[in-house]
Amino acid sequence: AQSVTQLGSHVSVSEGALVLLRCNYSSSVPPYLFWYVQYPNQGLQLLLKYTSAATLVKGINGFEAEFKKSETSFHLTKPSAHMSDAAEYFCAVSLMDTGRRALTFGSGTRLQVQP
Amino acid sequence: EAGVTQFPSHSVIEKGQTVTLRCDPISGHDNLYWYRRVMGKEIKFLLHFVKESKQDESGMPNNRFLAERTGGTYSTLKVQPAELEDSGVYFCASSSDRVTNEKLFFGSGTQLSVL
Repeated sequence: AQSVTQLGSHVSVSEGALVLLRCNYSSSVPPYLFWYVQYPNQGLQLLLKYTSAATLVKGINGFEAEFKKSETSFHLTKPSAHMSDAAEYFCAVSLMDTGRRALTFGSGTRLQVQP
Repeated sequence: EAGVTQFPSHSVIEKGQTVTLRCDPISGHDNLYWYRRVMGKEIKFLLHFVKESKQDESGMPNNRFLAERTGGTYSTLKVQPAELEDSGVYFCASSSDRVTNEKLFFGSGTQLSVL
């Protein structure tokens, strides 16, 4: 079985500040890891994904995440927050080599960007 | 290209009534998923169709939920009879990829309120 924990249901940063959203996972087999973002009144959009290639993954809108197996983490970062980054962010995991494609999501982190 | 479309966007019903949610995936996408988010908690997997076949329905909560995808195009999710705990946002997602690390395209969800 797999699970995802997102630390902090709400994170507030100032415009231009570093964004750090935390995600820890547990999984019995090597995982695929994802970050999705949901803007108001929209569906979830894929920001980036880790699929066992490079451990540092770059995504859209300047976001990146680093897979750290020893820490079972996949934290999302962005060097400088923009007002347009205000949204809810979800970390998710699925399992390699099982054929099962269901995603297990964390409970989400709502990012607020202050002017 | 049209995205994943869900309707209605909102539904308010009374306990014991029946509700049917509809999802139109992106044309040509064989994979269709239903997910649910209850009370701002994590988004949970319900089931996965490949074309018209149920590939994985391990997340369906009970037999009050019935999903169909006749002809492998659009899908419906019927809740009968609805209970208070069924309230939440129901997301549909689709993908065309045949591998586990696929990119999912999500609809904007149906907000279901059972009173």
